Amino acid sequence: AQSVTQLGSHVSVSEGALVLLRCNYSSSVPPYLFWYVQYPNQGLQLLLKYTTGATLVKGINGFEAEFKKSETSFHLTKPSAHMSDAAEYFCAVSYSGYSTLTFGKGTMLLVSP
Amino acid sequence: SQTIHQWPATLVQPVGSPLSLECTVEGTSNPNLYWYRQAAGRGLQLLFYSVGIGQISSEVPQNLSASRPQDRQFILSSKKLLLSDSGFYLCAWSGPGRPNNEQFFGPGTRLTVL
Repeated sequence: AQSVTQLGSHVSVSEGALVLLRCNYSSSVPPYLFWYVQYPNQGLQLLLKYTTGATLVKGINGFEAEFKKSETSFHLTKPSAHMSDAAEYFCAVSYSGYSTLTFGKGTMLLVSP
Repeated sequence: SQTIHQWPATLVQPVGSPLSLECTVEGTSNPNLYWYRQAAGRGLQLLFYSVGIGQISSEVPQNLSASRPQDRQFILSSKKLLLSDSGFYLCAWSGPGRPNNEQFFGPGTRLTVL
């Protein structure tokens, strides 16, 4: 069964510091990987995705993620955090032939001034 | 461009009352449609999904049901709400034939059962 693990339900950073949100998946076949962001009382918004090709993926708002097959990871990073980045972030995985996404439990990013 | 609508935005209902939440998608045909629930501290839970009119897959046994009466309309219902049905309900769609299942989410409905 496919699964996604997000390490840390809460991550705290200072404004201007590096953001690193971790995501690991279980898979024996090539995955499709996604990061979504959710602001309070809103729906999820796609940040970035990996399907095929380049393993370093750039998304909106300065975020990027790197697909590492050997580590079964897809960690999300941003060089410098802004206050507006405070939100909940979800990693998700899918596979060819499947109709659903499997989501991680989410990581709440807290940004302090 | 495609858009997804959910209503109502917020809802407060007594225990034992019925429920109907509606989701519609514009700008695409034959989408896959999904209902999720977020309860406090429990992440994102897939409730139902549909790959076509009248085709509903249930992921979690519960007192909720889903229907798809039209291609771009997805309805979540209950005959009698429980306290545990409180949460944030999200509808999502994915494009037909997209192998990667990238999903696009609606704004959500906040349901409080008292």
